[in-house]
Amino acid sequence: GAGVSQSPRYKVAKRGQDVALRCDPISGHVSLFWYQQALGQGPEFLTYFQNEAQLDKSGLPSDRFFAERPEGSVSTLKIQRTQQEDSAVYLCASNQGAPNEKLFFGSGTQLSVL
Amino acid sequence: SQQGEEDPQALSIQEGENATMNCSYKTSINNLQWYRQNSGRGLVHLILIRSNEREKHSGRLRVTLDTSKKSSSLLITASRAADTASYFCATASGAGSYQLTFGKGTKLSVIP
Repeated sequence: GAGVSQSPRYKVAKRGQDVALRCDPISGHVSLFWYQQALGQGPEFLTYFQNEAQLDKSGLPSDRFFAERPEGSVSTLKIQRTQQEDSAVYLCASNQGAPNEKLFFGSGTQLSVL
Repeated sequence: SQQGEEDPQALSIQEGENATMNCSYKTSINNLQWYRQNSGRGLVHLILIRSNEREKHSGRLRVTLDTSKKSSSLLITASRAADTASYFCATASGAGSYQLTFGKGTKLSVIP
């Protein structure tokens, strides 16, 4: 595709609900990342996929957070039993291979947990 | 945790002036990148400078890197109202690490 696409753009959840956030990376991009950005802060790393393999999930804040990329393209970030502190913008990024090089970001999903 | 710290946190200038933002980091790096974020949007990559480089240019952007001081600066010359955005530095440590570590950003306002 033309760019990294994320959906939904906005999500409001009641505390305790499960949510699923989708990321469609640029076609052919091997590397896919999820970042969390709190209001007024820089993005913080959550997890990294190389194709379908999740090579680094060290940034996931708790076992309520789960990410998958089963066919090496679209990825889903799932948050179970959402808490107010999960409110943030969730950004997806991708690139062609070298994970430490230039990233292409989506517009993000703004999650508000009430 | 955030490695980079941008300075200043906010900067307001007149159109046509130059804008300088600084970034300091804590550990050794493989490269340092600058990104721009318009309000409510994703980040856009501006420029990447490697640890063995000292200066890099791209259009109206000039980036310097001083690895001995663990700092970088981003200069935007002849600023335009469209440059209004938040600017983030991000470091890649290499050594098997996949993540970029971002700072908190500098919010730049360019007044027409």
